[in-house]
Amino acid sequence: AQTVTQSQPEMSVQEAETVTLSCTYDTSESDYYLFWYKQPPSRQMILVIRQEAYKQQNATENRFSVNFQKAAKSFSLKISDSQLGDAAMYFCAYRSALGGTSYGKLTFGQGTILTVHP
Amino acid sequence: ETGVTQTPRHLVMGMTNKKSLKCEQHLGHNAMYWYKQSAKKPLELMFVYSLEERVENNSVPSRFSPECPNSSHLFLHLHTLQPEDSALYLCASSHHLLAGVNNEQFFGPGTRLTVL
Repeated sequence: AQTVTQSQPEMSVQEAETVTLSCTYDTSESDYYLFWYKQPPSRQMILVIRQEAYKQQNATENRFSVNFQKAAKSFSLKISDSQLGDAAMYFCAYRSALGGTSYGKLTFGQGTILTVHP
Repeated sequence: ETGVTQTPRHLVMGMTNKKSLKCEQHLGHNAMYWYKQSAKKPLELMFVYSLEERVENNSVPSRFSPECPNSSHLFLHLHTLQPEDSALYLCASSHHLLAGVNNEQFFGPGTRLTVL
């Protein structure tokens, strides 16, 4: 079974600064997808960024980028130019790319609470 | 707004009550999910439905009973719950169950359930 670990229960950053959230995972599969989700106080879970394991290039979405290290099974999220609206709980998630028994199940980490200071 | 709505947003119930949580998606998706989010724990997948057929029951106690009358609606019927069932219950939907990278799950805002 796959597991996802986020070792930072809480992080904080000054507005306009950069912060990196850590995520490691454990799997025996070679093909999979990794995601970062954001859950603001409103509780609506929103997809921030996704990475396909077979792609070596790190995904980027505006101010959000990832550092995907497949051999190390590490998938960190970097937020540049942090904004007050970035304050939220961030979840790292894994999904197998296999067909058959895989039905798109997401395995989540414990989450990291990000505080942005003005 | 992601197109997935949940009602009620908050629910307080006694252990002997019977209540239902409702989820509705307006995205034309064929797969729907129930997750449980407890404090300081990862989200736990509870149930998965595809085209109104349950395809996953992730060892959930029988006091939780899902129902999917059509591909747009998903219910979670609750009865004789325990205080440890207090949590945020999230509904999600996706186009289908296949594992493609773009088969994103869209989440609702959740129902905050408190069992007294």
